[in-house]
Amino acid sequence: LAKTTQPISMDSYEGQEVNITCSHNNIATNDYITWYQQFPSQGPRFIIQGYKTKVTNEVASLFIPADRKSSTLSLPRVSLSDTAVYYCPLFSGNTGKLIFGQGTTLQVKP
Amino acid sequence: DAGVIQSPRHEVTEMGQEVTLRCKPISGHDYLFWYRQTMMRGLELLIYFNNNVPIDDSGMPEDRFSAKMPNASFSTLKIQPSEPRDSAVYFCASSTWTGAVGQPQHFGDGTRLSIL
Repeated sequence: LAKTTQPISMDSYEGQEVNITCSHNNIATNDYITWYQQFPSQGPRFIIQGYKTKVTNEVASLFIPADRKSSTLSLPRVSLSDTAVYYCPLFSGNTGKLIFGQGTTLQVKP
Repeated sequence: DAGVIQSPRHEVTEMGQEVTLRCKPISGHDYLFWYRQTMMRGLELLIYFNNNVPIDDSGMPEDRFSAKMPNASFSTLKIQPSEPRDSAVYFCASSTWTGAVGQPQHFGDGTRLSIL
């Protein structure tokens, strides 16, 4: 199960759309792309999961190109409370394991 | 529905002492995972269980670490003897499967362990 690569940090302003990219060049056929959010002193919290194309839920959208070697998490109209670390671990459909990379620290400014 | 419950939230102890971390998974979840998080190494999977049986312990750092799951509602991670380099936040997570698709892992709020 491959680790993923993300930018270390990003800054944004309240009300803007934020796109965080993730690289997973060695993704396997049975791997799913997932995104988690982590606040200080808390465990990671699931945001969204996808296999290919586009997935949308009430908080985010996930864009996955046809080759699945990268993905983009889109957060519409961020607020200060979206300041957190965002991870894009691959989920193995064979084992149920998640392998986390280093994450992206998103700082939302007023 | 209660989430994953970990105890204690904080533990400070001296080098050489035995440390036991506890986890209660979400009821009905049949997968349980133990992770360790440090600034240097990030989030690392230590071991995971399916239906109370250890499936993969390849992430356990060394023999000083052991984990058990005596029943579906309880798991422990034990370090004996503890060393300062074991200082980290330890997370427990649980999940289940629906058909052929694994469901998201639900994490507890972790145990912050400091070994002096």
